[in-house]
Amino acid sequence: EVQVVESGGGLMQPGGSLRLSCAASGFSVNNSYISWVRQAPGKGLEWVSSIYRRGHSNSADSMEGRFSISRDSSRNNVYLQTYSLTAADTAVYYCVRGESFGALFSGWGQGTLVAVSS
Amino acid sequence: QSALTQPPSASGSPGQSVTISCTGTSGDVGGYNYVSWYQQRPGKGPELMIYEITKRPSGVPDRFSGSKSGNTASLTVSGLQGADEGDYYCSSYAGIKGWVFGGGTKLTVL
Repeated sequence: EVQVVESGGGLMQPGGSLRLSCAASGFSVNNSYISWVRQAPGKGLEWVSSIYRRGHSNSADSMEGRFSISRDSSRNNVYLQTYSLTAADTAVYYCVRGESFGALFSGWGQGTLVAVSS
Repeated sequence: QSALTQPPSASGSPGQSVTISCTGTSGDVGGYNYVSWYQQRPGKGPELMIYEITKRPSGVPDRFSGSKSGNTASLTVSGLQGADEGDYYCSSYAGIKGWVFGGGTKLTVL
């Protein structure tokens, strides 16, 4: 079965760093499209970052260079490294598999909650 | 404030049709054919319903259809059913800015 499973969320102090993991099964992250999309409590969806088939990646300007996406083909995982977390980063973070560039957000994981609070 | 503008709510009676709009700019919706729509039921993750403006993934009923005119994309749900209730989001490719989402529309079946 093709699926993605997120992990690594939790309660963080403001200013902290966190690495979220996305474990893929049923397909290879190498040569695949994987994105992170977040949803703050009671709010809408917000694109965070994507890594594309040939390894190119990009992130939302609003993340101000604090978020970085990478993949490890040996573990078949994709990661989202986050830095300098603030309360505004509190959200459920979804890992999303893309069937193609035009269907970039095809298969959604269950999400992992990141809560930033002192 | 979301990059794409959606009405906060929409509603219709069972069997009726409802259309949800998604307005952007020439830098996103109007400039590319990469508009998608997602359904999110309460307490669940989003599900892709339409991609590349008009295409349906396998398993999505043909009651769901998409279109685009200029800087505005639309999702039409025909033959409304109770199971169609939820939040609907649009997204679009935005070139060097990456990807943008709409603020979401809560669909209620009366």
